[in-house]
Amino acid sequence: QVQLQESGPGLVKPSGTLSLTCAVSGGSISSPNWWIWVRQTPGKGLEWIGEIYLSGSTNYNPSLKSRVTISLDKSKNQFSLKFTSVTAADTAVYYCARHVSVSGKGIDYWGQGILVTVSS
Amino acid sequence: DIQMTQSPSSLSASVGDRVTITCRASQDISNYLAWFQQKPGKAPKSLIYAASNLHNGVPSKFSGSGSGTDFTLTISSLQPEDFATFYCQQYNNYPYTFGQGTKLEI
Repeated sequence: QVQLQESGPGLVKPSGTLSLTCAVSGGSISSPNWWIWVRQTPGKGLEWIGEIYLSGSTNYNPSLKSRVTISLDKSKNQFSLKFTSVTAADTAVYYCARHVSVSGKGIDYWGQGILVTVSS
Repeated sequence: DIQMTQSPSSLSASVGDRVTITCRASQDISNYLAWFQQKPGKAPKSLIYAASNLHNGVPSKFSGSGSGTDFTLTISSLQPEDFATFYCQQYNNYPYTFGQGTKLEI
């Protein structure tokens, strides 16, 4: 059973950088899957942020692309999200998840989520 | 971006009922449609992929259908643990997008 666990600061100052890590257990991050970040706010609902493949190839939501970087650390079996120039609108619960690329299987496993508040 | 529109936004039902939730895409997404269930304070749980396939461990009371732009999620014989918010998601075109959710209440 694959498990994902988000970690990082729960409070970030406006104009600062939000950095989160997703640790993967019960499976290898080097398997042929996409590793993704999704966030959820009361106002905008669920929003797909972006994804990274085992090769390092990435896809980002164009609305966020200028501020987002997703990276992979195979040695630690984890992947990360970096979000720059944050504002109060980036306050959300952030989820990491696995998107299976074969058989059109989509997202199968989710992390528990981490609430990040942007405030001074 | 592809817009995903769910209806209804909320739905009241009783234990034992059968309910259907609809998801409409603003353009053809083939069958790249997923359904998720979310309970308050919890992460979404993956129910269905490719419009009609159940993820491992998901009970057969959940079923999905559709292709192109119109999709449905049906839940039969509702039990108390089924009451939650349900979301659809298209993963045919970037950026992948979600519906606004359907809250299923007792």
